[in-house]
Amino acid sequence: DVKVTQSSRYLVKRTGEKVFLECVQDMDHENMFWYRQDPGLGLRLIYFSYDVKMKEKGDIPEGYSVSREKKERFSLILESASTNQTSMYLCASSWSHAKWGGNQPQHFGDGTRLSIL
Amino acid sequence: KNQVEQSPQSLIILEGKNCTLQCNYTVSPFSNLRWYKQDTGRGPVSLTIMTFSENTKSNGRYTATLDADTKQSSLHITASQLSDSASYICVVTTGGGNKLTFGTGTQLKVEL
Repeated sequence: DVKVTQSSRYLVKRTGEKVFLECVQDMDHENMFWYRQDPGLGLRLIYFSYDVKMKEKGDIPEGYSVSREKKERFSLILESASTNQTSMYLCASSWSHAKWGGNQPQHFGDGTRLSIL
Repeated sequence: KNQVEQSPQSLIILEGKNCTLQCNYTVSPFSNLRWYKQDTGRGPVSLTIMTFSENTKSNGRYTATLDADTKQSSLHITASQLSDSASYICVVTTGGGNKLTFGTGTQLKVEL
């Protein structure tokens, strides 16, 4: 079974802090994604990566950056945390659509509930 | 603008009963449609994926249908169990599978 592991289930940080959220997958997937999930809004894509050191902006990249130095690890960075970044953050991974077709499911981690005070 | 709308927003049913969840979308161009189940405090788990040419797909007690002409999908749950209590999310994919548009989900509660 695919396992996507997010480093923290719950995290509390202060406004202005630099925050790192870590995600590791064990299936050698090419694609990795970061989403945030807010009530009534559904999942929204922040950034995704289709290869090591590659990244693409999603729908809401402002205030975030990402790092993918190794294939299995994808980090989300909040450069200067603000209260409106309080949310559930979900990491996902999938096989490359270019190599394996567009019908590959995304496998999600269990999320990090981040509170910014 | 690509949109996915789900109904109802929430639903309560008795254990053993059937139910149907709806998904309407305006995503274009269409690549595939997915249904995910998200238990409270967990990440979403894929139930089904359907392409343009598929109009029904089953996964155990879950059956998804797709009408690409009317841009509607449904998820039918048969003989519901307490463990079916979760949020069910409809996701439509475009751009060869890389761009996903998520619905806001239907919150299902199964009671004794």
